[in-house]
Amino acid sequence: GENVEQHPSTLSVQEGDSAVIKCTYSDSASNYFPWYKQELGKGPQLIIDIRSNVGEKKDQRIAVTLNKTAKHFSLHITETQPEDSAVYFCAAISDSNYQLIWGAGTKLIIKP
Amino acid sequence: KAGVTQTPRYLIKTRGQQVTLSCSPISGHRSVSWYQQTPGQGLQFLFEYFSETQRNKGNFPGRFSGRQFSNSRSEMNVSTLELGDSALYLCASSFSGAGAEQYFGPGTRLTVT
Repeated sequence: GENVEQHPSTLSVQEGDSAVIKCTYSDSASNYFPWYKQELGKGPQLIIDIRSNVGEKKDQRIAVTLNKTAKHFSLHITETQPEDSAVYFCAAISDSNYQLIWGAGTKLIIKP
Repeated sequence: KAGVTQTPRYLIKTRGQQVTLSCSPISGHRSVSWYQQTPGQGLQFLFEYFSETQRNKGNFPGRFSGRQFSNSRSEMNVSTLELGDSALYLCASSFSGAGAEQYFGPGTRLTVT
Protein backbone atom coordinates (compact mmCIF):
# COMPACT_ATOMS: atom_id res chain seq x y z
CA GLY A 1 0.00 0.00 0.00
CA GLU A 2 0.87 3.67 -0.11
CA ASN A 3 3.35 5.14 2.36
CA VAL A 4 4.06 8.86 2.68
CA GLU A 5 7.16 10.19 4.42
CA GLN A 6 7.44 13.85 5.38
CA HIS A 7 10.51 15.89 6.36
CA PRO A 8 11.46 17.72 8.43
CA SER A 9 9.32 17.10 11.49
CA THR A 10 10.08 20.61 12.77
CA LEU A 11 11.17 23.63 10.77
CA SER A 12 12.10 26.98 12.25
CA VAL A 13 12.61 29.93 9.90
CA GLN A 14 13.05 33.67 10.29
CA GLU A 15 10.05 35.79 9.38
CA GLY A 16 10.35 36.81 5.76
CA ASP A 17 12.46 33.81 4.76
CA SER A 18 11.25 30.84 2.72
CA ALA A 19 10.22 27.43 4.05
CA VAL A 20 10.31 24.13 2.19
CA ILE A 21 8.68 20.88 3.33
CA LYS A 22 9.27 17.65 1.42
CA CYS A 23 7.29 14.45 1.06
CA THR A 24 7.95 11.17 -0.69
CA TYR A 25 5.40 8.54 -1.63
CA SER A 26 5.69 4.89 -2.55
CA ASP A 27 2.72 4.11 -4.81
CA SER A 28 3.49 5.10 -8.39
CA ALA A 29 -0.25 5.06 -9.09
CA SER A 30 -0.85 7.98 -6.71
CA ASN A 31 -2.33 10.89 -8.61
CA TYR A 32 -3.55 13.51 -6.12
CA PHE A 33 -1.37 15.30 -3.58
CA PRO A 34 -2.98 17.81 -1.20
CA TRP A 35 -1.32 19.89 1.50
CA TYR A 36 -3.18 20.76 4.69
CA LYS A 37 -2.46 23.28 7.42
CA GLN A 38 -3.55 22.60 10.98
CA GLU A 39 -3.64 25.37 13.55
CA LEU A 40 -3.90 24.72 17.26
CA GLY A 41 -7.33 23.51 18.30
CA LYS A 42 -8.61 23.24 14.73
CA GLY A 43 -8.98 20.59 12.10
CA PRO A 44 -6.68 20.57 9.05
CA GLN A 45 -7.51 22.95 6.21
CA LEU A 46 -6.57 22.47 2.56
CA ILE A 47 -4.08 25.11 1.39
CA ILE A 48 -3.05 23.77 -2.00
CA ASP A 49 -3.17 20.57 -4.01
CA ILE A 50 -1.69 19.16 -7.19
CA ARG A 51 -2.62 16.36 -9.54
CA SER A 52 -0.18 14.07 -11.29
CA ASN A 53 -0.62 15.67 -14.70
CA VAL A 54 0.87 18.94 -13.39
CA GLY A 55 4.45 19.63 -12.27
CA GLU A 56 3.95 22.83 -10.31
CA LYS A 57 1.13 24.94 -8.93
CA LYS A 58 1.26 28.35 -7.26
CA ASP A 59 -1.16 30.33 -5.14
CA GLN A 60 0.23 33.65 -3.97
CA ARG A 61 3.00 32.86 -1.45
CA ILE A 62 2.62 29.08 -1.56
CA ALA A 63 3.60 26.64 -4.28
CA VAL A 64 3.75 22.89 -4.66
CA THR A 65 6.07 20.97 -6.97
CA LEU A 66 5.71 17.36 -8.01
CA ASN A 67 8.39 15.03 -9.38
CA LYS A 68 6.61 11.86 -10.49
CA THR A 69 9.81 10.09 -11.52
CA ALA A 70 11.38 10.53 -8.10
CA LYS A 71 7.99 10.18 -6.36
CA HIS A 72 8.33 13.27 -4.27
CA PHE A 73 6.49 16.55 -3.86
CA SER A 74 7.29 19.69 -1.93
CA LEU A 75 5.55 22.67 -0.38
CA HIS A 76 7.23 26.05 -0.72
CA ILE A 77 6.17 29.07 1.33
CA THR A 78 7.84 32.37 0.50
CA GLU A 79 7.97 35.58 2.57
CA THR A 80 6.85 33.71 5.68
CA GLN A 81 4.65 35.51 8.18
CA PRO A 82 3.78 34.77 11.84
CA GLU A 83 0.38 33.42 10.80
CA ASP A 84 2.14 30.70 8.80
CA SER A 85 3.11 29.03 12.09
CA ALA A 86 1.18 25.74 12.18
CA VAL A 87 1.53 22.04 11.47
CA TYR A 88 1.55 21.16 7.78
CA PHE A 89 0.55 17.75 6.42
CA CYS A 90 1.10 16.28 3.00
CA ALA A 91 -1.05 13.44 1.70
CA ALA A 92 -1.36 11.22 -1.33
CA ILE A 93 -4.12 9.18 -2.86
CA SER A 94 -4.22 6.55 -5.58
CA ASP A 95 -7.11 5.22 -7.59
CA SER A 96 -6.29 1.72 -6.38
CA ASN A 97 -7.65 2.15 -2.87
CA TYR A 98 -8.97 5.72 -2.87
CA GLN A 99 -7.65 6.45 0.60
CA LEU A 100 -5.79 9.58 1.60
CA ILE A 101 -2.48 8.51 3.15
CA TRP A 102 -0.95 11.23 5.29
CA GLY A 103 2.58 12.26 6.17
CA ALA A 104 3.44 12.61 9.87
CA GLY A 105 3.35 16.41 9.74
CA THR A 106 5.83 19.30 9.95
CA LYS A 107 5.63 21.87 12.71
CA LEU A 108 6.56 25.20 11.13
CA ILE A 109 7.77 27.89 13.52
CA ILE A 110 8.18 31.45 12.25
CA LYS A 111 10.65 33.42 14.36
CA PRO A 112 9.99 37.18 14.62
CA LYS B 1 -22.44 28.07 4.92
CA ALA B 2 -22.01 26.26 8.21
CA GLY B 3 -18.88 24.16 8.63
CA VAL B 4 -18.45 20.62 9.86
CA THR B 5 -19.54 20.17 13.45
CA GLN B 6 -18.47 17.44 15.81
CA THR B 7 -19.92 16.56 19.19
CA PRO B 8 -18.88 16.26 21.86
CA ARG B 9 -15.63 18.27 21.71
CA TYR B 10 -14.12 16.53 24.73
CA LEU B 11 -14.78 13.16 26.28
CA ILE B 12 -13.26 11.18 29.15
CA LYS B 13 -14.02 7.48 29.33
CA THR B 14 -12.77 4.48 31.27
CA ARG B 15 -11.17 1.38 29.79
CA GLY B 16 -13.76 -1.14 28.67
CA GLN B 17 -16.50 1.41 28.07
CA GLN B 18 -17.86 2.34 24.68
CA VAL B 19 -18.23 5.74 23.08
CA THR B 20 -20.20 7.31 20.23
CA LEU B 21 -19.00 10.40 18.40
CA SER B 22 -21.12 12.47 16.06
CA CYS B 23 -20.34 14.45 12.92
CA SER B 24 -22.58 16.77 10.92
CA PRO B 25 -21.11 17.49 7.46
CA ILE B 26 -21.46 20.58 5.34
CA SER B 27 -24.86 20.79 3.72
CA GLY B 28 -24.81 19.02 0.36
CA HIS B 29 -21.76 16.89 1.13
CA ARG B 30 -22.44 13.18 0.92
CA SER B 31 -19.00 11.88 1.88
CA VAL B 32 -17.88 11.71 5.51
CA SER B 33 -14.49 10.36 6.51
CA TRP B 34 -13.17 9.68 9.99
CA TYR B 35 -9.55 9.96 11.09
CA GLN B 36 -7.65 9.25 14.28
CA GLN B 37 -4.91 11.75 15.07
CA THR B 38 -2.23 11.01 17.64
CA PRO B 39 1.09 12.80 18.28
CA GLY B 40 3.78 11.46 15.99
CA GLN B 41 1.34 9.27 14.00
CA GLY B 42 -0.29 11.92 11.91
CA LEU B 43 -3.78 11.19 10.64
CA GLN B 44 -4.82 7.57 10.34
CA PHE B 45 -7.81 6.84 8.12
CA LEU B 46 -10.62 4.97 9.85
CA PHE B 47 -13.41 4.79 7.27
CA GLU B 48 -15.42 6.74 4.75
CA TYR B 49 -19.17 6.79 4.27
CA PHE B 50 -20.90 7.95 1.12
CA SER B 51 -24.67 8.07 0.80
CA GLU B 52 -25.13 5.83 3.88
CA THR B 53 -22.71 3.15 2.62
CA GLN B 54 -19.24 2.45 3.93
CA ARG B 55 -17.12 2.99 0.85
CA ASN B 56 -13.66 2.53 2.31
CA LYS B 57 -12.06 1.27 5.49
CA GLY B 58 -8.64 1.67 7.07
CA ASN B 59 -6.66 -0.80 9.14
CA PHE B 60 -8.41 -0.52 12.47
CA PRO B 61 -9.88 -3.36 14.57
CA GLY B 62 -13.56 -4.18 14.47
CA ARG B 63 -14.06 -2.27 17.74
CA PHE B 64 -14.21 0.83 15.54
CA SER B 65 -17.42 1.12 13.59
CA GLY B 66 -19.50 3.81 12.03
CA ARG B 67 -22.65 4.63 10.18
CA GLN B 68 -24.19 7.38 8.15
CA PHE B 69 -27.76 8.54 8.16
CA SER B 70 -29.94 9.69 5.29
CA ASN B 71 -29.20 13.35 6.14
CA SER B 72 -25.43 12.54 5.78
CA ARG B 73 -24.78 12.92 9.50
CA SER B 74 -22.37 10.26 10.68
CA GLU B 75 -21.58 8.54 13.93
CA MET B 76 -18.50 6.65 14.96
CA ASN B 77 -18.53 4.07 17.73
CA VAL B 78 -15.64 2.58 19.63
CA SER B 79 -16.39 -0.38 21.87
CA THR B 80 -14.29 -1.87 24.67
CA LEU B 81 -12.10 1.20 24.92
CA GLU B 82 -8.36 0.79 25.42
CA LEU B 83 -5.83 3.31 26.71
CA GLY B 84 -4.33 3.49 23.22
CA ASP B 85 -7.62 4.80 21.83
CA SER B 86 -6.91 8.18 23.44
CA ALA B 87 -6.64 10.53 20.50
CA LEU B 88 -8.22 13.38 18.56
CA TYR B 89 -10.91 11.99 16.27
CA LEU B 90 -11.48 14.12 13.20
CA CYS B 91 -14.36 14.03 10.83
CA ALA B 92 -14.08 15.40 7.30
CA SER B 93 -16.80 16.00 4.77
CA SER B 94 -16.49 16.43 1.04
CA PHE B 95 -18.71 16.53 -1.97
CA SER B 96 -17.35 13.41 -3.63
CA GLY B 97 -14.77 11.71 -1.45
CA ALA B 98 -11.04 11.47 -0.73
CA GLY B 99 -9.98 12.89 -4.08
CA ALA B 100 -11.74 16.17 -3.42
CA GLU B 101 -11.14 18.88 -0.84
CA GLN B 102 -11.82 17.60 2.65
CA TYR B 103 -13.43 20.00 5.12
CA PHE B 104 -12.52 19.05 8.65
CA GLY B 105 -14.37 19.58 11.88
CA PRO B 106 -12.52 20.67 15.05
CA GLY B 107 -12.39 17.09 16.31
CA THR B 108 -13.39 15.23 19.43
CA ARG B 109 -10.65 14.81 22.02
CA LEU B 110 -11.12 11.36 23.61
CA THR B 111 -9.20 10.47 26.75
CA VAL B 112 -9.35 6.91 28.03
CA THR B 113 -8.30 6.36 31.63
